[in-house]
Amino acid sequence: GENVEQHPSTLSVQEGDSAVIKCTYSDSASNYFPWYKQELGKRPQLIIDIRSNVGEKKDQRIAVTLNKTAKHFSLHITETQPEDSAVYFCAASKWGSSNTGKLIFGQGTTLQVKP
Amino acid sequence: DVKVTQSSRYLVKRTGEKVFLECVQDMDHENMFWYRQDPGLGLRLIYFSYDVKMKEKGDIPEGYSVSREKKERFSLILESASTNQTSMYLCASSDTRAKNIQYFGAGTRLSVL
Repeated sequence: GENVEQHPSTLSVQEGDSAVIKCTYSDSASNYFPWYKQELGKRPQLIIDIRSNVGEKKDQRIAVTLNKTAKHFSLHITETQPEDSAVYFCAASKWGSSNTGKLIFGQGTTLQVKP
Repeated sequence: DVKVTQSSRYLVKRTGEKVFLECVQDMDHENMFWYRQDPGLGLRLIYFSYDVKMKEKGDIPEGYSVSREKKERFSLILESASTNQTSMYLCASSDTRAKNIQYFGAGTRLSVL
């Protein structure tokens, strides 16, 4: 069935360093890839997303890249700050006609940014 | 702002009890979802609904049922709660016309004793 694998499960970086989280999806028909951030005790919230007709998207210190051929997509956070510490989830979806809005989530990555 | 409200933040129930978790959204979204979140297992989909009275099983539907009688409300039902259903339960909603961005509720931490 549809599956999204996310790595690493935990990531610890020094403040100011970069962090990269990688995901692989199984369904080649997937065309929408959001990333959610969940701070401790809070709800997951969308931080960035990318559609399959785009290879890269940036928003200030965060960026997402997509390799459709390899079915890989990655989240890049530059100049990390302590407030980036959270659990990050990637997801894949088929957006378009006859879709139910279902997202397939990865297992999550716990990012710790040390001051 | 989209608001997804879950009726309880914390709930303690006994084994065998029938448990209702309620979720309400105020943005006229067609799609609603119930997940459970356990450490190391991410967000696992229990059930979802893409229209009133419509429901589909997710990845882990066993032991759960759902009800969607009105568009804004999606209920998760544990017919006979068991200790292995102790977990954090998250509700979400989305509008198919706006990609598949899901908006989450604050979660209900359920303990079954």
